[in-house]
Parts: sequence; structure tokens; C-alpha cells
Amino acid sequence: DVKVTQSSRYLVKRTGEKVFLECVQDMDHENMFWYRQDPGLGLRLIYFSYDVKMKEKGDIPEGYSVSREKKERFSLILESASTNQTSMYLCASSFRGAAANEKLFFGSGTQLSVL
Amino acid sequence: RKEVEQDPGPFNVPEGATVAFNCTYSNSASQSFFWYRQDCRKEPKLLMSVYSSGNEDGRFTAQLNRASQYISLLIRDSKLSDSATYLCAVKGDSNYQLIWGAGTKLIIKP
Repeated sequence: DVKVTQSSRYLVKRTGEKVFLECVQDMDHENMFWYRQDPGLGLRLIYFSYDVKMKEKGDIPEGYSVSREKKERFSLILESASTNQTSMYLCASSFRGAAANEKLFFGSGTQLSVL
Repeated sequence: RKEVEQDPGPFNVPEGATVAFNCTYSNSASQSFFWYRQDCRKEPKLLMSVYSSGNEDGRFTAQLNRASQYISLLIRDSKLSDSATYLCAVKGDSNYQLIWGAGTKLIIKP
């Protein structure tokens, strides 16, 4: 069974802390994505990566960075957490290819609260 | 105007009824369209892809109306287990990027 695993289901952090969200996939997917989901706004893309050590900014990269040192792992870093980064964070992966990469497999999400 | 828009609902529908909802998109050059289902506190999962000719999978039918720039999802003989939020996603200019609607919440009542 395909799997995208996010390291934490719930996380509470303080303003100014550095936060690491980890995502691991076991499907040998080339593409990996980080989204945040907020009520009424839908999923918004933060960063994505289409290969090891490659990264591209999405729609809302400010305040975030990413790391992809291995194909199976994609990390999201909040350099200095702020209250407006309280959100559900979803990691996703997909195969490369015009048709195949359209099916995203999501992790179960990390609900981050920044106090 | 948002790039992809959905009626947030909720749609309250009796079990066994037929329900349909739409998703409008602003980029007329969009080529690929998708419906994802998201259960409460769970991750989205692909329900159906929608291509030019539309498609059907059991009780679910998805269609594309290019002239009016919307896709639709029709659910026949609705089940209690169909209760969920339905997200539409549209392939944007980037080959990697999907643009998402905020979702339509569906509640099937016994």
C-alpha cells in the first residue's frame, strides 16, 4: 500500500521557534509537495521539489524553506514560527510525467499551532 | 476573482438522492481537472480525473463544460459514506502545480 508519512499529527510551538516538519514517501516518487490548508482558502502550495536537491517556490513560500537531501524525504522548515503559520500542513508526492504526476498522494497532515 | 471557486455548502441531502455541484475556473487554457474527496480530519484522496469527454465511475459522473469554464460532479443514489468535502483541482500553467478550490461540504442524512 502506498504511503506518505508525516512525522507529527499535532504540533504546538511558540512564536519564534524553528520548526521542522518531516515527510517520507515509500513510492519512489520524483515529485514532492508541501501545502497548507486553511478553512475557506483551500490548499495553497508552499514549495515543491521534482528531484533530489531541487526545490521550487509555490504560491506562499515566505517564512518557509525546504530541504530534499534524499528522494524519499522532503522537509519543511519554519525559520521563525509566527501565529499566522498556525495551519494544517499537508505533504504530497507524485510520479513525474504529464499524466502520472497529476495524481497526488497525501500524508495525513500535521496540525501546527503556534502560540 | 479566485482562480478556482466552489460553493462551500454544506449540501444537506437525504440518502438515496442525487446531488450535483460545480467548480468554476478562470484560466481558459486549463487542460486537466480533478475531483478529490477529503473526509473530516483526513487527507484528500483522488476521486476522479475529468477530461474533455467527462467520465463516469459507478455512481459518480464528472463533466467538463469548457464554454462556461466549470466542471461538475454528480453523485447518484447517495450513501451516508459519501459525506465528505469534495475538492476540485485544476492544472495551472506549471506542469507541476494544481490550483485548488476551497471545497464543497456534502452531508448525507438518513
